[in-house]
Amino acid sequence: QLQLQESGPGLGKPSETLSLSCAVSGAFISSSNCYWGWLRQPPGKGLEWIGSIYYNGNIYYNSSLKSRVTISVDSSKNHLSLELTSVTAADTAVYYCTRLSVTGHFDSWGQGTLVTVSS
Amino acid sequence: DIQMTQSPSTLSASVGDRVTITCRASQNVNSWLAWYQQKPGKVPKLLIYKASSLETGVPSRFSGSGSGTEYTLTISSLQPDDFATYYCLQYDSYSSYSFGQGTKLEIK
Repeated sequence: QLQLQESGPGLGKPSETLSLSCAVSGAFISSSNCYWGWLRQPPGKGLEWIGSIYYNGNIYYNSSLKSRVTISVDSSKNHLSLELTSVTAADTAVYYCTRLSVTGHFDSWGQGTLVTVSS
Repeated sequence: DIQMTQSPSTLSASVGDRVTITCRASQNVNSWLAWYQQKPGKVPKLLIYKASSLETGVPSRFSGSGSGTEYTLTISSLQPDDFATYYCLQYDSYSSYSFGQGTKLEIK
């Protein structure tokens, strides 16, 4: 059974780079039928798509975050990673790692990890 | 980018009521539309995908419909467990996903 487990620093300072990781179990992260994504949800607010990565290496980012975001896969560790640069308080959110179904919707989610950006 | 407008933002209803939530897209999303339910402090749960396909294990009182730019989620007879926030998601293009702003379903 697929399991996704996010991990992160919990707290970050403005202007720093945020690095999150998602450990995937129950599936091989680089297999041809697996696609992955990151989403986030600020406290008390709605869901926002950050970006998605596909087995063929294609990566797509939310246009509003594109200049600050990098998503990558480490096949040796079966991990998905997210890096967000120049963070501000507006980046405070629960960050979710997700799997995309073959038709594109998010069908499995990690439990999420809260990241607070504060000086 | 495709904008998703959900309505209403808040909905007050009673157990047993039939309720409908609407999502309008700024352009045709070709039925690539999903609905999620989220309870406080919990991970969103997939209810409907491809506009009208019921996810395995989801009660049949939930249904989705629509096409083009307008989609609806209907709960035929509200149960106490259904009071939550609901989000639509369009995934017409792999390069750009977007959620509606959410509908909070409250007990009247």
